[in-house]
Order: sequence, then structure tokens, then C-alpha cells
Amino acid sequence: DGGITQSPKYLFRKEGQNVTLSCEQNLNHDAMYWYRQDPGQGLRLIYYSQIVNDFQKGDIAEGYSVSREKKESFPLTVTSAQKNPTAFYLCASSIRAEVYNEQFFGPGTRLTVL
Amino acid sequence: GQNIDQPTEMTATEGAIVQINCTYQTSGFNGLFWYQQHAGEAPTFLSYNVLDGLEEKGRFSSFLSRSKGYSYLLLKELQMKDSASYLCAGADSNYQLIWGAGTKLIIKP
Repeated sequence: DGGITQSPKYLFRKEGQNVTLSCEQNLNHDAMYWYRQDPGQGLRLIYYSQIVNDFQKGDIAEGYSVSREKKESFPLTVTSAQKNPTAFYLCASSIRAEVYNEQFFGPGTRLTVL
Repeated sequence: GQNIDQPTEMTATEGAIVQINCTYQTSGFNGLFWYQQHAGEAPTFLSYNVLDGLEEKGRFSSFLSRSKGYSYLLLKELQMKDSASYLCAGADSNYQLIWGAGTKLIIKP
């Protein structure tokens, strides 16, 4: 079955630690996205990538980093510089961003900083 | 600036009809999406409109007026499983999606 997987579903970390969230897709999609969702707010774009080895900052990139070494994978690192990292993180992909951008989402990772 | 506005919460009765409105302002416009999101889960695609008019898909329909920057999602014959948040998202000139905060729909028996 084609789809997007994110792991882990729940993640706890201590303040000051970096943590990496996994996102894998087998849909052969070119574009991938990372969003953050907080209660009462819309999805906010952290980073996106339209092609392998290339990515762009979204609206709230500070304190985050990404890589896109393979088409299928787009991991997100939440660094200790992110002031308020506790949130629900969603990864998404789309065939190509330039024409029609229906995005398919993974199940999400809920990160809690203790 | 770019902005999507939709009501925070709505309540409706099982079996009834509900209309969820969305107004948008985007830099350029390449269509309007509606997604459904159950609590703690990922959003799932419901509809896409880029031309004016009504698109019907089973119990769900979506309407777009480009001149008014307005869309609505119409849900008929409401079922308890329709209790969810409904997210409106506009695609801007770069095809990036600008998301509303979502409308939480509560269905009562």
C-alpha cells in the first residue's frame, strides 16, 4: 500500500536535546512538507522540498533543520534552539507543487518537551 | 497579506445539513481545498475548487466564488462520524497552501 509513514507517533524529550522526526513516502511524490499544528491554529509550514537535495524555509523554520537526500525521505530535526517545540508535527507530500498541490499527510508525531 | 478565515466551532444535529464558510485572501490564487481532520489524526482530502460553482461529491459539496474570495463546504445527512475539524486551505501563486485554523464541527444526536 502506498502512503506516508511518520515515526514515532509520540515522542518525549528533555529540554536542550535535539530530536529527529522521521517521514517516509512510497508514493513517488516529488514534493514533501513539514507542518506544525498547535491547538486553535492552522497548519504552519516549517520546511518544504520540491526535489531531492533542495529545500526551502517555510514560515516558522527557526529552530528546525531538514535534509532531502532521497526522494522518499524528509526527516525533520527539532533543535534545542526551538523555543516552544511541544506540538503535533505533520509530514505531507504531493506529486508536484507547480500544478496542483493536493497534499497527502502522514499520521503525525506528537512531540512533548519535558 | 495572506489569510484564511473560518468559524472556530459549529454544532449541528444528526441527519441535518450544515454549511461551513471560508473566506480567503491569497497572493494569486490556484484553488481552494477542504480537508477533514479527526482529533489526533492526519487531515484527509475532501474537495478542490478552482472554478466558480458547486462541486458535489456524495453527501459533501463545495462551492467557490472567486470574485468574493469565498467558499463553503456543505455536509448533508449528517452522521456522528462527521464530527471532526474541517480545514480550508487556499493555494497561492506558488501553489503553496495557506491554511485556516479549522472549524470544529460537533454533531449531536
